[in-house]
Amino acid sequence: DAGITQSPRHKVTETGTPVTLRCHQTENHRYMYWYRQDPGHGLRLIHYSYGVKDTDKGEVSDGYSVSRSKTEDFLLTLESATSSQTSVYFCAISESVPNYGYTFGSGTRLTVV
Amino acid sequence: QKEVEQNSGPLSVPEGAIASLNCTYSDRGSQSFFWYRQYSGKSPELIMSIYSNGDKEDGRFTAQLNKASQYVSLLIRDSQPSDSATYLCAVYLNTGTASKLTFGTGTRLQVTL
Repeated sequence: DAGITQSPRHKVTETGTPVTLRCHQTENHRYMYWYRQDPGHGLRLIHYSYGVKDTDKGEVSDGYSVSRSKTEDFLLTLESATSSQTSVYFCAISESVPNYGYTFGSGTRLTVV
Repeated sequence: QKEVEQNSGPLSVPEGAIASLNCTYSDRGSQSFFWYRQYSGKSPELIMSIYSNGDKEDGRFTAQLNKASQYVSLLIRDSQPSDSATYLCAVYLNTGTASKLTFGTGTRLQVTL
């Protein structure tokens, strides 16, 4: 996962608490994405960014917000965590999606109890 | 109809055999196609990309694309136990508003001794 780091790697949190996951890249790539992966559902896009302060919703954005104040950082916030948000969260980056696809981070395993 | 469809498997092949993984997509305008490998508990890793009809070979891997049939496949020759993983097909479609991939749910490959 050279050039892309997710933190934390694991987190257990209680229902109703806010949680922020961080994605940090050193590649200066324009595009950044947050996905969640659940058995039977595959990878589902939560939010993505196509530049500093430019973000948009994906297919499962309810209950999540994002911010990108710097090229290198893309934050995902669960505003009030619910058990249905227990999942593995992956960040991905891309310089040019049609040409290079994505590079994924190592993932964050989040458990909401 | 799902945008990108894969058989979930598991696909079981003996060591040394050819593994054939298939993916169909719904949008004829799709432009770029990617295969990712994901080991259990790890993040997806890009292994092949293909953009035009025909075959593309890289070592033991061959990607095949048939746009008329909306079909992309991945062949793994001389399959090894280390190839046991889930293989994700991803498709890029230029919608003019978002630059992102759409993923299938993956096919689990088991290479048996």
